[in-house]
Amino acid sequence: AQTVTQSQPEMSVQEAETVTLSCTYDTSENNYYLFWYKQPPSRQMILVIRQEAYKQQNATENRFSVNFQKAAKSFSLKISDSQLGDTAMYFCAFMDNNAGNMLTFGGGTRLMVKP
Amino acid sequence: DGGITQSPKYLFRKEGQNVTLSCEQNLNHDAMYWYRQDPGQGLRLIYYSQIVNDFQKGDIAEGYSVSREKKESFPLTVTSAQKNPTAFYLCASSIDQTDTQYFGPGTRLTVL
Repeated sequence: AQTVTQSQPEMSVQEAETVTLSCTYDTSENNYYLFWYKQPPSRQMILVIRQEAYKQQNATENRFSVNFQKAAKSFSLKISDSQLGDTAMYFCAFMDNNAGNMLTFGGGTRLMVKP
Repeated sequence: DGGITQSPKYLFRKEGQNVTLSCEQNLNHDAMYWYRQDPGQGLRLIYYSQIVNDFQKGDIAEGYSVSREKKESFPLTVTSAQKNPTAFYLCASSIDQTDTQYFGPGTRLTVL
């Protein structure tokens, strides 16, 4: 069974600065997808970014980028120019291409952006 | 607007009662999912459906039941057999089983 670990329960960053959230996962599969979801106080889960394991290039979405290290099974999220609206829980998630649509989530990191 | 709707937003239930949570999507997605979230934790999969009239158990299906009679709808029933049903319930959908899952706004269920 796959596991996803987020080792930082809470983090804080000053507005306009950069922060990196860590995620590691354990799998024996070669084809899979990785995701970062954001859950603001409204509690709706919002997709931040997606990475296909077969792609060597790291995914980026505006101020959000990932550092995908397949051999190390690491998938960190970098938020540049942090904004107050980035304050939220962030969840890393893994999906095995061979197991259909089962998403396995990490325990989450609570990010606070300070003015 | 295209999207996923869940109702109600808040739901209160007495012990011993069954209750049904609604999930509807107009995205023409084939796959739909139900997750449970407990305070301070990640999401756990309850049930999922890849196509109409078919569904599969997830990691924590005991005490729950679902149906998928229409592509747009995937209701979840929390039965009296579920020992600790108080939680936040999230519904999601995706184009197919390999695509990104998009989430609804959630339902907060409290058992009194």
